[in-house]
Amino acid sequence: NAGVTQTPKFRILKIGQSMTLQCAQDMNHNYMYWYRQDPGMGLKLIYYSVGAGITDKGEVPNGYNVSRSTTEDFPLRLELAAPSQTSVYFCASSYIGRDTGELFFGEGSRLTVL
Amino acid sequence: AQTVTQSQPEMSVQEAETVTLSCTYDTSESDYYLFWYKQPPSRQMILVIRQEAYKQQNATENRFSVNFQKAAKSFSLKISDSQLGDAAMYFCAYRNLYSGNTPLVFGKGTRLSVIA
Repeated sequence: NAGVTQTPKFRILKIGQSMTLQCAQDMNHNYMYWYRQDPGMGLKLIYYSVGAGITDKGEVPNGYNVSRSTTEDFPLRLELAAPSQTSVYFCASSYIGRDTGELFFGEGSRLTVL
Repeated sequence: AQTVTQSQPEMSVQEAETVTLSCTYDTSESDYYLFWYKQPPSRQMILVIRQEAYKQQNATENRFSVNFQKAAKSFSLKISDSQLGDAAMYFCAYRNLYSGNTPLVFGKGTRLSVIA
């Protein structure tokens, strides 16, 4: 079972560059999320989506954009990368309906902005 | 807004001993989920245990158990017979039960070291 797959696992960006973190899930989950984890901290929500075509801001959305054109994919776009975006990014998904409340996480993507 | 507080940034335990990690939360809701996630050095977020607030019985998963005190808004994790593989960051998390689009709210984590 693939579960939640994130790519790339590691990336180094220069200030001002842009990139997209990819996230795909094969569990037919309707809800998907992007979190960031700064060193020594918990996870903070960036954006989430309750279904294809629907997205909403989380706690720390500035500097990011998302789209949800399909149920499976939820890419996170970084525009004009800044050192403050150096972090580990986690994509997660869950199924609302037979909801156990649990989120399933990808393995994370470590991004460094220099 | 809901908040989750883990007051112990770091803890250590001797192998085979028992350790308890603390978590408190703040919410005005009556129905919700609480979780403990483990994050080993691999960074993977692994669900350890889940508790539904409407269940009075404390959840148990093998060597892991919780002490859920709803009135006190406390949700501690007990690890019995600690093993070297238990060394990791542990995050307490909260989620509303009925608001399906409410994401998990995490505490800042407790780093657990296991001493051989």
